[in-house]
Amino acid sequence: DAGITQSPRHKVTETGTPVTLRCHQTENHRYMYWYRQDPGHGLRLIHYSYGVKDTDKGEVSDGYSVSRSKTEDFLLTLESATSSQTSVYFCAISGLLTNTEAFFGQGTRLTVV
Amino acid sequence: GQQLNQSPQSMFIQEGEDVSMNCTSSSIFNTWLWYKQEPGEGPVLLIALYKAGELTSNGRLTAQFGITRKDSFLNISASIPSDVGIYFCAGPFGNEKLTFGTGTRLTIIP
Repeated sequence: DAGITQSPRHKVTETGTPVTLRCHQTENHRYMYWYRQDPGHGLRLIHYSYGVKDTDKGEVSDGYSVSRSKTEDFLLTLESATSSQTSVYFCAISGLLTNTEAFFGQGTRLTVV
Repeated sequence: GQQLNQSPQSMFIQEGEDVSMNCTSSSIFNTWLWYKQEPGEGPVLLIALYKAGELTSNGRLTAQFGITRKDSFLNISASIPSDVGIYFCAGPFGNEKLTFGTGTRLTIIP
């Protein structure tokens, strides 16, 4: 299994509170991705990183920010959580620009009440 | 916008039957990926395709990279109960934004 660890695995939080999800890799891969998964929508890209301090938006980036200060860590922050952000969040890593085989973590189930 | 259209959305088949699903893109891809996801788990890579026309197998699974570079196909032969899950296609828009289809949910009827 690819060395990817997501934390926490489960979280319940209140509307309006900040939340940070962490993705840690031990593979030294260049690319890291955050996705959310909701019924009927598959996996939707939130943000991704192509290197330390290099990030870009995906298709559903509103309400989310990311940071990558080290190769191994990619943080996803919900500045003020809303109920629409209740979802399962997956982190993925990928090594090369053209061979974009991505490997996924186990996911974080976030519930905003 | 960037879209991957995957079909069918769901399939109900009997054990032993063959399965076919496909994915089409609004853009040309240099890579097509197929994943399987089981409940409570992250997606797992099944097959990666890198050339138009390429046909690649992984056991009973066979995937093809369409010659137009805008589509891909996954076939499962002689399905078994452990094939149950959601199958996703994926491709890199702009070579970086790895984008997924909406998935095909496979159910096997006893």
